[in-house]
Amino acid sequence: EVQLLESGGGLVQPGGSLRLSCAASGFTFSSYAMSWVRQAPGKGLEWVSDISGSGGSTYYADSVKGRFTISRDNSKNTLYLQMNSLRAEDTAVYYCAKVPNRYCSGGSCYFDYWGQGILVTVSS
Amino acid sequence: DIQMTQSPSSLSASVGDRVTITCRASQSISNYLNWYQQRPGKAPKVLIYAASSLQSGVPSRFSGSGSGTDFTLIISSLQPEDFATYYCQQSYSIPWTFGQGTKVEIK
Repeated sequence: EVQLLESGGGLVQPGGSLRLSCAASGFTFSSYAMSWVRQAPGKGLEWVSDISGSGGSTYYADSVKGRFTISRDNSKNTLYLQMNSLRAEDTAVYYCAKVPNRYCSGGSCYFDYWGQGILVTVSS
Repeated sequence: DIQMTQSPSSLSASVGDRVTITCRASQSISNYLNWYQQRPGKAPKVLIYAASSLQSGVPSRFSGSGSGTDFTLIISSLQPEDFATYYCQQSYSIPWTFGQGTKVEIK
């Protein structure tokens, strides 16, 4: 059974940093791309970033480019999102999600499994 | 960026009703369109990928169609567990974008 478990969320002041983790199990982690998708309170879904199975390719939404860094440790079956220079508008539930292919591209970028989500609140 | 527009934004329906939700892309996206269901307080769940392929384990009352810019999600006979918000998502080009959601409520 595929399981994705996020951790590392919480309350942080504007300009601060936070690192989210997503522990994966139930599948060969290194064979699949992974993504982060967020949802602001009461709002819709927004794709944030994704990373290929090897970790060699990464992509970001313009809203987080230069501030967030996605990475993975395939030996630990764990996905990360380092979030720096946080803003109030980054407040959201962050979901990690599995992509059913090694790369998120060419029509194959949908999300077939999701974690339960972790809340990040940016406020003073 | 490709804009995804869903209609309606919300609808009220009864158990057993046939429900249709549409999604329009701001440019052609071939069949690179996916549908998700999100129940309150839960993570989204994929229902349909590549416009019309049913994800494993999803009931056959869900179906998808369309190509180019116009797509449709149909629930053939609404069940109590189907009351949720539905999102479309394009996987044609980065940034992957979602529609604003369609909330299906109980009439």
